[in-house]
Amino acid sequence: AQSVTQPDIHITVSEGASLELRCNYSYGATPYLFWYVQSPGQGLQLLLKYFSGDTLVQGIKGFEAEFKRSQSSFNLRKPSVHWSDAAEYFCAVVFGSGGYNKLIFGAGTRLAVHP
Amino acid sequence: DSGVTQTPKHLITATGQRVTLRCSPRSGDLSVYWYQQSLDQGLQFLIQYYNGEERAKGNILERFSAQQFPDLHSELNLSSLELGDSALYFCASSEGTGPSGANVLTFGAGSRLTVL
Repeated sequence: AQSVTQPDIHITVSEGASLELRCNYSYGATPYLFWYVQSPGQGLQLLLKYFSGDTLVQGIKGFEAEFKRSQSSFNLRKPSVHWSDAAEYFCAVVFGSGGYNKLIFGAGTRLAVHP
Repeated sequence: DSGVTQTPKHLITATGQRVTLRCSPRSGDLSVYWYQQSLDQGLQFLIQYYNGEERAKGNILERFSAQQFPDLHSELNLSSLELGDSALYFCASSEGTGPSGANVLTFGAGSRLTVL
């Protein structure tokens, strides 16, 4: 079955610390992969995407993610977290089904940042 | 501002009522998608329209319906509302026929529906 898993519901880090948010997917083909961020009371903003080429992709706000086919993972990283990064982060995958593509989201990881 | 406009931002109504949520896509985008975000179900894909025609369907209830008009704006109609329909409803748009690596969804700020 096609699925997107974000194992961590909540993560708390100190400002200036590094961050890694995990995402795993289940899909037979090479997927299109995305990370979105939702700040409180806001919509979803695209951080970065992967669909081909270099498996390490750079995004906005200093985020990067690495696609690892062998592990079916697309983890999001940031070397030094800022207080403004506190938000909910969603991994999303495009799955093909019945001739149509659908963008399916993981359950999200809520990030808290301590000063 | 993402360019995707949703109205109303907030809506409070009673069980059994019917509401309409409106979405204007980004200029040039032909596809509109509707998602529901609730605490227990997370972000669920409801339905997609491309240039006025239904393209893909997700977990949309029979009490819900949508359409896309010739000017490309879309409306999501929710009827016989239940307490469990309280959620944040997002609209997204994209240029092409469906999501892909090159055809990325841009989301609006959402419409928060509260059913009392």
